[in-house]
Amino acid sequence: GENVEQHPSTLSVQEGDSAVIKCTYSDSASNYFPWYKQELGKGPQLIIDIRSNVGEKKDQRIAVTLNKTAKHFSLHITETQPEDSAVYFCAASHNSGGGADGLTFGKGTHLIIQP
Amino acid sequence: DTAVSQTPKYLVTQMGNDKSIKCEQNLGHDTMYWYKQDSKKFLKIMFSYNNKELIINETVPNRFSPKSPDKAHLNLHINSLELGDSAVYFCASSLSGTGNEKLFFGSGTQLSVL
Repeated sequence: GENVEQHPSTLSVQEGDSAVIKCTYSDSASNYFPWYKQELGKGPQLIIDIRSNVGEKKDQRIAVTLNKTAKHFSLHITETQPEDSAVYFCAASHNSGGGADGLTFGKGTHLIIQP
Repeated sequence: DTAVSQTPKYLVTQMGNDKSIKCEQNLGHDTMYWYKQDSKKFLKIMFSYNNKELIINETVPNRFSPKSPDKAHLNLHINSLELGDSAVYFCASSLSGTGNEKLFFGSGTQLSVL
């Protein structure tokens, strides 16, 4: 099955600086790579996703890059703000063609934005 | 309107008891899931249901049983609760369950077994 490794487990950055979280995956058939943000006391929420037919995707201050050859993908947050403080999860999945294999999540990164 | 709602938010109970967690989604999605998040924040899928059929059962003990009266509801029943069952349980749903689509999560149920 799929195995997703995520680093670092904790990341502390100064407000206004950039943050980068990295993930690797094992299953070359995986073609969908979402990122979820979990705030304290809440469920995870999708913030951005990328599919294997593109190498980069941006949404305002958030960007994700994908290197299929190396089987790794990264989340980039620029101009960090206090509200970016949360736990971030990467995940990987592939279209099972009718079934529901579910996402395999990384172990999460606790992002702390220092004022 | 809350898209995926689960109750209760907190559940404190004694070892050996039987308890249920309810989940409802109003998004018209075909697939619903239960995830377990342990104390280290690791998210692991437990079950998914697609049109009332169990699709995944990730080696979860048979003390855990999902029940889906219709495609908008997926409840989780837990028998003979053990200390190791303490965790946060999240219900989620997705449009069709193909594996490469957005998941919508509920706000979680924190289960504490004493």
